[in-house]
Amino acid sequence: DSGVTQTPKHLITATGQRVTLRCSPRSGDLSVYWYQQSLDQGLQFLIQYYNGEERAKGNILERFSAQQFPDLHSELNLSSLELGDSALYFCASSVVGEGSPLHFGNGTRLTVT
Amino acid sequence: GESVGLHLPTLSVQEGDNSIINCAYSNSASDYFIWYKQESGKGPQFIIDIRSNMDKRQGQRVTVLLNKTVKHLSLQIAATQPGDSAVYFCAENMRTGGFKTIFGAGTRLFVKA
Repeated sequence: DSGVTQTPKHLITATGQRVTLRCSPRSGDLSVYWYQQSLDQGLQFLIQYYNGEERAKGNILERFSAQQFPDLHSELNLSSLELGDSALYFCASSVVGEGSPLHFGNGTRLTVT
Repeated sequence: GESVGLHLPTLSVQEGDNSIINCAYSNSASDYFIWYKQESGKGPQFIIDIRSNMDKRQGQRVTVLLNKTVKHLSLQIAATQPGDSAVYFCAENMRTGGFKTIFGAGTRLFVKA
């Protein structure tokens, strides 16, 4: 068990809808990361937060947004969903924002129908 | 561009043999590298890391080698066991637009009993 908790585990929704994925980092970790993993694809970096502030941005669509709250949990919001957004979404956390390994949750599987 | 690639998408080895998984990275300014293991239905799990001031680091049954001259990273698994069957990702800590951990495409390791 990595100590990173993601909810929900599975999510099925329709095109055009909006969903929120939630992540609780390991106790003591200040940095949270979001990744997308599509079928037969690697892990695509979306965004990173450190102690409540955005630290780095990857290939995150404008329809997607995230935030990290004062209690350090994070939420990833996906709106105007398309079929191609179906994927596994992983959250990871680390003690600091650089130079330390990431610890991943078991992901949220999103299916857009 | 931002890319960390793998030479072999799949690797099949006999139980008890040693496995070598290779990875090429593109950013010569990256200073921290990590190997992760991902089993089916789970998030990536940290295996071993190495900083750019080292060329070799050993863990329990695993060794990571870093060749900065040719920007190459490898993971060696000694006495491979069926439980080692998984997808292995290399990742690079990239200092562009903030610190991003960028993952390679992954190599699937099959261990034959």
